[in-house]
Amino acid sequence: GQQLNQSPQSMFIQEGEDVSMNCTSSSIFNTWLWYKQDPGEGPVLLIALYKAGELTSNGRLTAQFGITRKDSFLNISASIPSDVGIYFCAGQQGGSEKLVFGKGMKLTVNP
Amino acid sequence: NAGVTQTPKFRILKIGQSMTLQCTQDMNHNYMYWYRQDPGMGLKLIYYSVGAGITDKGEVPNGYNVSRSTTEDFPLRLELAAPSQTSVYFCASAGASGTEAFFGQGTRLTVV
Repeated sequence: GQQLNQSPQSMFIQEGEDVSMNCTSSSIFNTWLWYKQDPGEGPVLLIALYKAGELTSNGRLTAQFGITRKDSFLNISASIPSDVGIYFCAGQQGGSEKLVFGKGMKLTVNP
Repeated sequence: NAGVTQTPKFRILKIGQSMTLQCTQDMNHNYMYWYRQDPGMGLKLIYYSVGAGITDKGEVPNGYNVSRSTTEDFPLRLELAAPSQTSVYFCASAGASGTEAFFGQGTRLTVV
């Protein structure tokens, strides 16, 4: 089935640093989403992107829908300890009722 | 507002046993999904439903069954549990085009 390539797989950063992650596909997607999963919880939607080139912010988070519609990026600025978790990208292709998920990026923030 | 509620949170099954994972949502969403999450493997779609009475297979449906008799409920049935079904199971729902999915807290299932 369709897969999203998410990188990096994990990151260890110091509190206050910025972190970037991306998600790529060989196919075009009409929608890109970014989720965060805390330990023992279900994923929570952070940002949804609907238009190629769109740049959207949610507090310290900024995400972009790639111009080619085959990729998306998420940036977290000035990281804090509660940013720890697994970040997933997800995409939806035109005409599909389903989301395809990346394998996730595990973020560790050292205080 | 409860959102998506899954029960139970934890369960241990013996090989060959059966069980039903319950999922209910109170957001009047048409779309509902079941995913399984294995370590380092992301979320894989088991089954989904676009409305009451309609279900369809996802990426990994073997060994599972679903039904959707109401808008609110979307139970997942395991008939003959196998060790390969040890995983964390998430139910999700979405409105409109099925894009912005809301997840439950998950059911951690171990088959021994």
